Amino acid sequence: GQQLNQSPQSMFIQEGEDVSMNCTSSSIFNTWLWYKQDPGEGPVLLIALYKAGELTSNGRLTAQFGITRKDSFLNISASIPSDVGIYFCAGRGSGYSTLTFGKGTMLLVSP
Amino acid sequence: NAGVTQTPKFRVLKTGQSMTLLCAQDMNHEYMYWYRQDPGMGLRLIHYSVGEGTTAKGEVPDGYNVSRLKKQNFLLGLESAAPSQTSVYFCASSYPERGGLYEQYFGPGTRLTVT
Repeated sequence: GQQLNQSPQSMFIQEGEDVSMNCTSSSIFNTWLWYKQDPGEGPVLLIALYKAGELTSNGRLTAQFGITRKDSFLNISASIPSDVGIYFCAGRGSGYSTLTFGKGTMLLVSP
Repeated sequence: NAGVTQTPKFRVLKTGQSMTLLCAQDMNHEYMYWYRQDPGMGLRLIHYSVGEGTTAKGEVPDGYNVSRLKKQNFLLGLESAAPSQTSVYFCASSYPERGGLYEQYFGPGTRLTVT
């Protein structure tokens, strides 16, 4: 099956710092999605990407669909304490009706 | 709209007991999914449905059954619970492919403990 490698596994940063995380795959994906999960809740969609090279922003969040279609990146600028949570990438390959999820990046932000 | 709702929120079962988890969505979505989330494992797909009356196996289907009798509901059943099924279960729904859209929307989760 398809697999995603998400890195880093965890990050501990100071408030105000910028954050970068990424996902890579051995196979080509046609759709990349980024989710955030707060403790005790379900994942919430942050950004969806549909075209190779696409760069999309949502407030302080920016995500990119890699040119090779095998990777995606999420950047968070000027982090704040409420950014704490687990960030998941998810991808969909050609012909699939389901998503493959990465194992998540846990983000901790120190005030 | 309530979005995706899940019932119950918490449950404790003894080994061998059975139960059904209910997922409901009011967004008229065609596709629905059941995932389990375990520490360090991310989200793993159990079963999914691409329409009323249809179901398909995901990555980890063993020990679970599902039914989609109505478009808005997706049921996950455990016939004989095992401690290995202790997990947090999430339901999600999405539109079918339409202009490349495959965004899934998640419920709040059901925390299940099997002793």
